Amino acid sequence: DTAVSQTPKYLVTQMGNDKSIKCEQNLGHDTMYWYKQDSKKFLKIMFSYNNKELIINETVPNRFSPKSPDKAHLNLHINSLELGDSAVYFCASSPLGQGNGYTFGSGTRLTVV
Amino acid sequence: QQPVQSPQAVILREGEDAVINCSSSKALYSVHWYRQKHGEAPVFLMILLKGGEQKGHEKISASFNEKKQQSSLYLTASQLSYSGTYFCGTEDRSNYQLIWGAGTKLIIKP
Repeated sequence: DTAVSQTPKYLVTQMGNDKSIKCEQNLGHDTMYWYKQDSKKFLKIMFSYNNKELIINETVPNRFSPKSPDKAHLNLHINSLELGDSAVYFCASSPLGQGNGYTFGSGTRLTVV
Repeated sequence: QQPVQSPQAVILREGEDAVINCSSSKALYSVHWYRQKHGEAPVFLMILLKGGEQKGHEKISASFNEKKQQSSLYLTASQLSYSGTYFCGTEDRSNYQLIWGAGTKLIIKP
C-alpha cells in the first residue's frame, strides 16, 4: 500500500509544453505539499495546501499551479515549461498540527529539453 | 532564514560515529530530521519539539538545544545503510511551513 503516490515517475518534455504531475495520499493527512529539489539537492517548498488554505511560496512562478480536487489529491500543473524547471518534484503530506513528520512521494524527475 | 547544517559532507568507516549539526539564527520551536538515499525520497527520522528534548531511533538520536538555537543528530556505530543525505527542517511560525537546511551528505565505507 503506497502512502503517497506520484505519477509519472519520469517526465521528459519540450520547452513550452504544459504538463501535470499527479499526487495522491491514502494516509488521511490534512495537509499536502509540493517541493522542488534541484541538482544541488536543495529542497524548496512550492505550495502547501489543506482544505482551508493554500500557501504559495512567493518565489514560485505563476506558471506553476496546484489543483486539489479533494483532500487526498494535490496535482501540480506547469504551463510553458522552461529549461530551468528541470528538477525532481516531490509531493508530501502531513497531519495538521505541530509535531508531525512529513511523508514524501517517490518523486517525479522532470527533464525539459 | 534557512538553517545551517554542518558539516556539508562526511566520510566514515563502518562502525564510526558522526554528528550532524543544524543551527538557526531564529528561535527554534521544532526541528525535523530526514534522511534521503540516492535516487529516493526523503524519509522522516524524528522530530524534536521542546528545548532539551532528546530522541532516539535505533542507533540514531538527536538533541535540541533551544538556547543555542541548535539541534544535533548523532549516528553511532554507523552502518552502510546510514549512507545518504541528512536534512534538518525548522518550523516557520508565520505559516508553519518547514524551512530546510541544505543537507549533509554522509558516506559510509566498509
